[in-house]
Amino acid sequence: EAGVAQSPRYKIIEKRQSVAFWCNPISGHATLYWYQQILGQGPKLLIQFQNNGVVDDSQLPKDRFSAERLKGVDSTLKIQPAKLEDSAVYLCASSPQQGRGTEAFFGQGTRLTVV
Amino acid sequence: AQSVAQPEDQVNVAEGNPLTVKCTYSVSGNPYLFWYVQYPNRGLQFLLKYIPGDNLVKGSYGFEAEFNKSQTSFHLKKPSALVSDSALYFCAVKGWTGANNLFFGTGTRLTVIP
Repeated sequence: EAGVAQSPRYKIIEKRQSVAFWCNPISGHATLYWYQQILGQGPKLLIQFQNNGVVDDSQLPKDRFSAERLKGVDSTLKIQPAKLEDSAVYLCASSPQQGRGTEAFFGQGTRLTVV
Repeated sequence: AQSVAQPEDQVNVAEGNPLTVKCTYSVSGNPYLFWYVQYPNRGLQFLLKYIPGDNLVKGSYGFEAEFNKSQTSFHLKKPSALVSDSALYFCAVKGWTGANNLFFGTGTRLTVIP
């Protein structure tokens, strides 16, 4: 079974530029998450989708971050404009259902450096 | 609100010795607890989980964890450490109610010394 795919693996941009990340979840997984992992910290949820609807985006900085999930499959996360403090690894994860006992499967992440 | 604490940033253990990585949690109601491992330049890999039921959970690569409700703990253990176990370990929790997503600790770096 193929895992969660993310691209690009690495991205370096200047502050105030925009950037987009792509995620393809495991086939058939209805729930998709985007997490932000700042160096030295644990991952923090940005947004959770169930199929193509948003379940939780309370921690998403909506003035600069946006996300969508096309047709309930692939997802993109965008930052516009980027700030220095956005430097982090952005992790996409998926799970087959929304149950609390269900684990999430993570992609390798996109490492963003804002200079 | 739910949270987990990993009190040790770094754990060092000699190869062949038992290892323990500590985790305590705070959540309303019954918790669902998870352990993940992260190798350099890799994503998080699921190790094991606790769902209400058996307190001793066995997972991948010989790891196990014991849920202790009175101590609100879910420590990760392995009887005999391998050098290849060296990695960053994260504990995570979901609450019984409220937000249905993982809340992660700050991680513990495990180094197994040959």
